[in-house]
Amino acid sequence: NAGVTQTPKFRVLKTGQSMTLLCAQDMNHEYMYWYRQDPGMGLRLIHYSVGEGTTAKGEVPDGYNVSRLKKQNFLLGLESAAPSQTSVYFCASTHGQATEAFFGQGTRLTVV
Amino acid sequence: KQEVTQIPAALSVPEGENLVLNCSFTDSAIYNLQWFRQDPGKGLTSLLLIQSSQREQTSGRLNASLDKSSGRSTLYIAASQPGDSATYLCAVRRGSSNTGKLIFGQGTTLQVKP
Repeated sequence: NAGVTQTPKFRVLKTGQSMTLLCAQDMNHEYMYWYRQDPGMGLRLIHYSVGEGTTAKGEVPDGYNVSRLKKQNFLLGLESAAPSQTSVYFCASTHGQATEAFFGQGTRLTVV
Repeated sequence: KQEVTQIPAALSVPEGENLVLNCSFTDSAIYNLQWFRQDPGKGLTSLLLIQSSQREQTSGRLNASLDKSSGRSTLYIAASQPGDSATYLCAVRRGSSNTGKLIFGQGTTLQVKP
C-alpha cells in the first residue's frame, strides 16, 4: 500500500543549483498536485495536473516547472534554486475532482 | 476569493476530554471539505471527507459536521488521548472549480496531556 511516494525526503541545495522532485502514485489517480508548506503561510498550491500530459499553474508557480509524462508520476523542477524556495514540499493525488486527497510524506528542501 | 480560517491556532487539553476544532470558510459554494491530521515532520493523513450535501461524517472517535450556509465545519474528538496530539488541518474544494484544488486553513495544533 505505497499510496503517494515522494523522492527525495531531504535535500540541501546551493543557490543557483537545479533539482527535480519526484512524486509517484500507485492508485491510478487522474489528478496530481504540488504544494509547499511554510510556517505562517499554510499549504499553497504550486502546480497541478488534471491528467496525463496536462499541467497548470497554481497559486505560487514562479520559479518552478512541472511535467506529467506518465499518469503515475508528477515531477517538480527547480531550475535555479533560491533561498526563498526553502520549504517542505508535498505531493497529493485524487481520483476525481471531488474525491479524497492523499498526500505524500513530504520533501524538506533547504537552499543555502 | 475563498479563505479558510482555523481558530484557535493551538489547544492543550487533559487526556479524556471531548474537544471541538473549528474551521470557517468565506465562500459557501464548496464541493466538499476534508479534515487532515499532520504529525511533526510527516505528511498529511486524511481523516474525513464531508460532501457539501452532507451534514456529518463519522469515523471512530471523530465526527465532522458541516454547515455550508454559515461557512463552518467542526471536528469533534471524543475521549481525547495523547496519541491524538498533532496538527489538524481543514481544506475546502470550491464548487466552481473542476480542478479539485484544495484551499487550506493554517491548522490547529492539539496537545493532549496524559
